[in-house]
Amino acid sequence: SQTIHQWPATLVQPVGSPLSLECTVEGTSNPNLYWYRQAAGRGLQLLFYSVGIGQISSEVPQNLSASRPQDRQFILSSKKLLLSDSGFYLCAWTQGWTEAFFGQGTRLTVV
Amino acid sequence: KNEVEQSPQNLTAQEGEFITINCSYSVGISALHWLQQHPGGGIVSLFMLSSGKKKHGRLIATINIQEKHSSLHITASHPRDSAVYICAAHFQGAQKLVFGQGTRLTINP
Repeated sequence: SQTIHQWPATLVQPVGSPLSLECTVEGTSNPNLYWYRQAAGRGLQLLFYSVGIGQISSEVPQNLSASRPQDRQFILSSKKLLLSDSGFYLCAWTQGWTEAFFGQGTRLTVV
Repeated sequence: KNEVEQSPQNLTAQEGEFITINCSYSVGISALHWLQQHPGGGIVSLFMLSSGKKKHGRLIATINIQEKHSSLHITASHPRDSAVYICAAHFQGAQKLVFGQGTRLTINP
């Protein structure tokens, strides 16, 4: 069956520390993968999307980067977190133009 | 530019009322999703539309491709329907799934 795993569910990190959030997909191949961020009281903003291994498109300039080392693995990273990086991070994948699946999200608090 | 706009941003209604949430998008899409986000952040997919109308229980979703507009309706609303409702569009060519800003729905008993 088609599933998506995103971890961790919650994370508290100090300012200046690195970040690595991982998302893996099962039950499909060559999906489009996405990272979104939702700041408090705001909508989900597209940060990065990938249509294949090593192919990353960035939507907004920021303190974050993304990588896709394997077909079904998408990683969101930061070398040094800022307070403004706090928020809810969501991984998603789509197959073709019809199906979309969403992770459970990671709530990141930078202190 | 691939944009998705929802209205209203916030909606409060009494139990039993008929609810309508609107979604407009800027350019041609391949499909549009209606999603429900609960307080913990988890997202549930309600509908995927590329044309016409779909119904599931008390929920109805419609899309008008020519007008670039979709609506989500809830009949006989109930407090358990309280959540954030989001539309998300697959944009043709750009291969992106873009979310609207969401509509926070509160149904009072």
